[in-house]
Amino acid sequence: QVQLVQSGAEVKKPGASVKVSCKASGYTFTSYYMHWVRQAPGQGLEWMGKINPSGGTTSNAQKFQGRVTMTSDTSTTTVYMELSSLRSEDTAMYFCARDPSWQLRPLEHWGQGTLVTVSS
Amino acid sequence: DIQMTQSPSTLSASVGDRVTITCRASQTISSWLAWYQQKPGKAPKLLISKASTLESGVPSRFSGSGSGTEFTLTISSLQPDDFVTYYCQQYNSYPWTFGQGTKVEIK
Repeated sequence: QVQLVQSGAEVKKPGASVKVSCKASGYTFTSYYMHWVRQAPGQGLEWMGKINPSGGTTSNAQKFQGRVTMTSDTSTTTVYMELSSLRSEDTAMYFCARDPSWQLRPLEHWGQGTLVTVSS
Repeated sequence: DIQMTQSPSTLSASVGDRVTITCRASQTISSWLAWYQQKPGKAPKLLISKASTLESGVPSRFSGSGSGTEFTLTISSLQPDDFVTYYCQQYNSYPWTFGQGTKVEIK
């Protein structure tokens, strides 16, 4: 069965970087884009960007340009999202979620989420 | 960016009620609209894709309609498990965007 398993919670200081992983299993890794969506405490969902694990091309929301880096490792079927220059407003739950690359579909399978807390 | 506006933000209802949530897009998105259900502390769950296609395993009391810029999610008879938060999302163009959410509360 499809599984997206994310790394554990992180606590970071303002100005630092965080790297969250999402290990995929149960499907052909390179056939699905992986997206990152975040949710601040008590707030709504915010799309951050996506990566095509086949080739590594990315597309990010303008808001995160220059601060977010998404990478993939086909040997371990893992994608990574690194967010730099952290500020308190980046405190949120970060989710990975996949969609098929060959058809237009929303996000059917999600990781369990990784809580990132930014605090001095 | 396409703005998605949901209404209401909060909805108070009773078990067995029929409820409708509206989602409006700032520009046309054809039928590329999804609805998600999110329980506290959990990842969102996809309920409906392409505005009206019920995902496998989702109860038939959920239904979606609309196209262009106006969409609705209807729950025909609220069950205790349904008192959570719902989001719409457009996937017509990047950046994908979500509505702000509708929390369904017990009256």
